[in-house]
Amino acid sequence: RKEVEQDPGPFNVPEGATVAFNCTYSNSASQSFFWYRQDCRKEPKLLMSVYSSGNEDGRFTAQLNRASQYISLLIRDSKLSDSATYLCVIPRGGDSNYQLIWGAGTKLIIKP
Amino acid sequence: NAGVTQTPKFQVLKTGQSMTLQCAQDMNHEYMSWYRQDPGMGLRLIHYSVGAGITDQGEVPNGYNVSRSTTEDFPLRLLSAAPSQTSVYFCASSYSLPGETQYFGPGTRLLVL
Repeated sequence: RKEVEQDPGPFNVPEGATVAFNCTYSNSASQSFFWYRQDCRKEPKLLMSVYSSGNEDGRFTAQLNRASQYISLLIRDSKLSDSATYLCVIPRGGDSNYQLIWGAGTKLIIKP
Repeated sequence: NAGVTQTPKFQVLKTGQSMTLQCAQDMNHEYMSWYRQDPGMGLRLIHYSVGAGITDQGEVPNGYNVSRSTTEDFPLRLLSAAPSQTSVYFCASSYSLPGETQYFGPGTRLLVL
């Protein structure tokens, strides 16, 4: 099992719809989690941090399911500008706590 | 603040050539790192630094060297370019640990022929 796995998509979603996708991780000791957004041919940018109680920022909600070892990202009332690739990121932990593990990303396409 | 800057934006090399990718940040961040991004794969860590004078290897360090003589600069050197090093390279920085917000440069697209 990969350390971090994401469905590559693409998820094709009509504007205004709600969309959710998950990221599974293998290290049960992971304590912190992040979602980054990457636009085509651009650098990644932090979207949200994910805490044990989940996190909400406007139309975006991130949740953590420790029992099943996945984090989720929910986007409500999707906009055309939400089209991007969403990257799941987890610190490696242990002796390698200075290293981040990146998922390959889930591509989201919002259609008018 | 310029944030994280990278040069060059694009580069074409021939197999066996060497070059240095430049990265600089003006946010006084201690942690800096280099990644490569290939299609269908997550960002892979090449080297990282937790402060001036301290560097360490990441997941895919072979064929690359780094140095960190100042807090601001973290150049990545390709010793003898190979086609397998064709990729997009990103430099990133954060205040301290990587569990904080990573700020990325715009990337360098490298093609090795």
